Amino acid sequence: QSALTQPASVSGSPGQSITISCTGTSSDVGGYRYVSWFQQHPGKAPQLVIYDVSNRPSGVSYRFSGSKSGNTASLTISGLQAEDEADYYCGSYAGSSTPFVFGPGTRVTVL
Amino acid sequence: QVQLVESGGGVVQPGRSLRLSCAVSGFNFNSYGMHWVRQAPGKGLEWVAVISFDGTNKNYAESVKGRFTISRDYSKNTLLLQMDSLRVEDTAVYFCARDCGSYVYDYHGMDVWGQGTTVTVSS
Repeated sequence: QSALTQPASVSGSPGQSITISCTGTSSDVGGYRYVSWFQQHPGKAPQLVIYDVSNRPSGVSYRFSGSKSGNTASLTISGLQAEDEADYYCGSYAGSSTPFVFGPGTRVTVL
Repeated sequence: QVQLVESGGGVVQPGRSLRLSCAVSGFNFNSYGMHWVRQAPGKGLEWVAVISFDGTNKNYAESVKGRFTISRDYSKNTLLLQMDSLRVEDTAVYFCARDCGSYVYDYHGMDVWGQGTTVTVSS
């Protein structure tokens, strides 16, 4: 059972924007600015799309953006494209004893 | 180029041991914390363990604590995961991954991933 919660699925039409939420507690998401987001296509390794709440790694599309308010972080994908159809996982630093936790994942479908 | 290559997966009976390796190239292995993350068939990502850049800090998920040991060999640029007392529920693809923070003891997310190695625990 994940310490973080995400919606099981989110869908949108090409060109639209969607937002995926990731809710934790003050011990993880709310307590640190170390929230990350990962994209995973079937049969592939995950790819980092956002780190430290809102930073985009080199090579990741500007259409991916991240934010945080309190214990909830969000990933927004703007200008939705067919290639964005994938599973998305949030992750957070959670302190020195259990340093990292993942959310259960959100399946994004492009209609 | 920056690359992580896992090996050592296979089929093993419950209660037995297995050791996974992750060969690192293309970056300074001494600078980054390294994680193991696993994914059971059809399931989500599960963080397993992390070792700090200097090897002094090691942390584990509750599900593997006391059974798995993470280590790193700086002379061979290799990350290791010793898995003992394996259970059926340890069946998964195991990924090694680099943390994107360097020279830190807190963890920012994984920016480089291997392709994964499959571990199947079955009698």
